[in-house]
This record gives sequence, C-alpha cells and structure tokens, in this order.
Amino acid sequence: NAGVMQNPRHLVRRRGQEARLRCSPMKGHSHVYWYRQLPEEGLKFMVYLQKENIIDESGMPKERFSAEFPKEGPSILRIQQVVRGDSAAYFCASSPQAGTYEQYFGPGTRLTVT
Amino acid sequence: DAKTTQPPSMDCAEGRAANLPCNHSTISGNEYVYWYRQIHSQGPQYIIHGLKNNETNEMASLIITEDRKSSTLILPHATLRDTAVYYCIVSREYGNKLVFGAGTILRVKS
Repeated sequence: NAGVMQNPRHLVRRRGQEARLRCSPMKGHSHVYWYRQLPEEGLKFMVYLQKENIIDESGMPKERFSAEFPKEGPSILRIQQVVRGDSAAYFCASSPQAGTYEQYFGPGTRLTVT
Repeated sequence: DAKTTQPPSMDCAEGRAANLPCNHSTISGNEYVYWYRQIHSQGPQYIIHGLKNNETNEMASLIITEDRKSSTLILPHATLRDTAVYYCIVSREYGNKLVFGAGTILRVKS
C-alpha cells in the first residue's frame, strides 16, 4: 500500500505566480489535512478536507490560499500570487474513513518563492 | 485542545532507552495523547497514542500517569536513526487537527 504522495517535491515560483501543490492520500483514505512548516518554525495546521467538503479551514490564510479535495483525483492546495513569505515546506496527511486515530504524512513539497 | 510542555532537547546514548517526558496538565477526559516524530526535514511520522492505559507497539511504549497530567514516551533501544524532533500532542479523537508545539530534539549519540 503506497504511502501519501505529494508532488512536486520541490517547486520554485517567482513572486506573483501561482503555486499548485498536489496530495494523493493513501488508498482507502478519505480525509486529508494540509500543514505548513515555515523555515525554523513548527508545523501549523492549515485545512482539513473530506471528499468534496472542507471541514475545517481555520488555519488557512484569508487571502490567496485555497484547497480542494474532489471526488476523483488528488487534493490540491493552491496559492495565488505567491510572495516570499510563502516559502515553506507544505505537508499533506491522510487518515482513513473510520477506526483509526493517526494521520499519515507525505514527504512534503518545498516551495521556494524568488 | 490542551497545551503540552516538553523539554527543548535531550541526548541519549545509542543502545540505551530514551525517555521523553511531556506535561499536559489541562488535558480533558476525551483527549488522547499522541506522539509523532520528524526526522530531519521529512514528513512527521506517527509513533503511538493512548487515552489512559499504557500502550506499547513495535516502535515505542507510552506511559501515562494515573491523573493523565503527564506522559513519557520510551524508545527502548535508541539508534542513531531515532535522532529527530519528537512531538507530544493532545487532541480529541479521530478527525481533529494536530496542533504541533516545539517538540523535543532527541540526539542519539554513539
């Protein structure tokens, strides 16, 4: 059973461009979480999604950031008009529908804004 | 979610047991204690979790005090590959977000 997959692993964007980060959860997992880790800082929760629904977006910046988890395909974290402060590692985690309490994390996407 | 307090860093000799403490004095009755670790810049890895009883799996043991105000993660035979940041997190059950603190940097030395 493949683990959580994220792509790209490294992404470089110029200021003002858009960044799209993809997360494929583990097979059979229908819950996805996004976390961000700024340089030299801890992991911060951003958003929690189930298929076609955003459950908790309390950690998402109010502007430029959006997330989706469609019925088919990976979850997407989209950052519009990136700024230098968006440079960070973005981690996705997934958990199954029921019966477990742990989240399984992907390897992360390192976003660098130049 | 209850707040946790961990020492910023600890050292452990290779092959010895590593005991990582965590205080969570404001934990409520329906909150679990989770432990995760992050090796270098990789994605965090789940280790173990518990509610009130002690737990053991292939990676570690979790000892929770009777009043549930503190816990200890035990790596029975630490190796160099266990060098990582260890996070103690208190959270309600399944479906809730994880709130990471600063964690404990564990350095395993030969």
